[in-house]
Amino acid sequence: QVQLVESGGVVVQPGWSLSLSCAASAFTFSSYVMHWVRQAPGKGLEWVAVILYDGSTQYYAHSVKGRFTISRDNSKNTLYLQMNSLRDEDTAVYYCARETTGTYYFDYWGQGTLVTVSS
Amino acid sequence: QSALTQPASVSGSPGQSITISCTGTSSDVGSYNRVSWYQQHAGKAPKLMIYEGTKRPSGVSNRFSGSKSGNTASLTISGLQTDDEADYHCCSYAGSSTWVFGGGTKLTVL
Repeated sequence: QVQLVESGGVVVQPGWSLSLSCAASAFTFSSYVMHWVRQAPGKGLEWVAVILYDGSTQYYAHSVKGRFTISRDNSKNTLYLQMNSLRDEDTAVYYCARETTGTYYFDYWGQGTLVTVSS
Repeated sequence: QSALTQPASVSGSPGQSITISCTGTSSDVGSYNRVSWYQQHAGKAPKLMIYEGTKRPSGVSNRFSGSKSGNTASLTISGLQTDDEADYHCCSYAGSSTWVFGGGTKLTVL
C-alpha cells in the first residue's frame, strides 16, 4: 500500500523558516516525480513545487519561487520542502503527492501537515 | 498562473446527474490533454478520479466521467450517491513544468 506521510507543520511567525518532510513507503521512491501542493483554509488546492525522480531539476510556483526549496533524499525515501521568509499567505495544509514520471497527474497524496504563519 | 475557474458549489438529488465545469485558457486546459480531477472529502486528502481529461483510474466508479471542449473541461457524476458529497478540484498541466488548479467545487447531495 503506497504511503506518503508528511510532518513538520507548526505555528511560526512571519519571516521565519520551516522545513517539511514527506516519508514515502511501499513503492520505489527513486523512480517517481514528487510534488508539494498546498491548501489554504477554506480554499482550493495550489500547486507549489516539483522535483524530478533523481533530484536533478526543480520547478516552483511564482508565489514561492526564491523562498521555498524542494529536495529529496532517495536513500531515505524522503521528500523535503524548505520554506524561508514565510508570510501570512503561506498558511495552509501542505500535501506531498506522487506523479508517475511523465503522466502529469497526482496518483497518491499524503494526509497533509498544517503550517500556520501568524504573529 | 491564474487559477482555473470552477463553480463554487453545485447540488443534486440522489440518482441525478451533475456536471462541474473547469475553465482555463489556451495556455493550460486548451493546450494540453492533461486535465485531472480530484475528490476531497472533508478533512481528507484529495483522491484522483479522472486523468488525461477522460480516463478513470482503476477502482473509480464508472459513474464518474470527464470531457473537454476547447479551454473548458468538465466532470460529470451520474447516479448521485450520498457519498459523492465532497469538494472536487480540477487541475491542468500549464507548461514549463508547472500545474494550475481550480478553486474547487463543493458538491451537495440533497
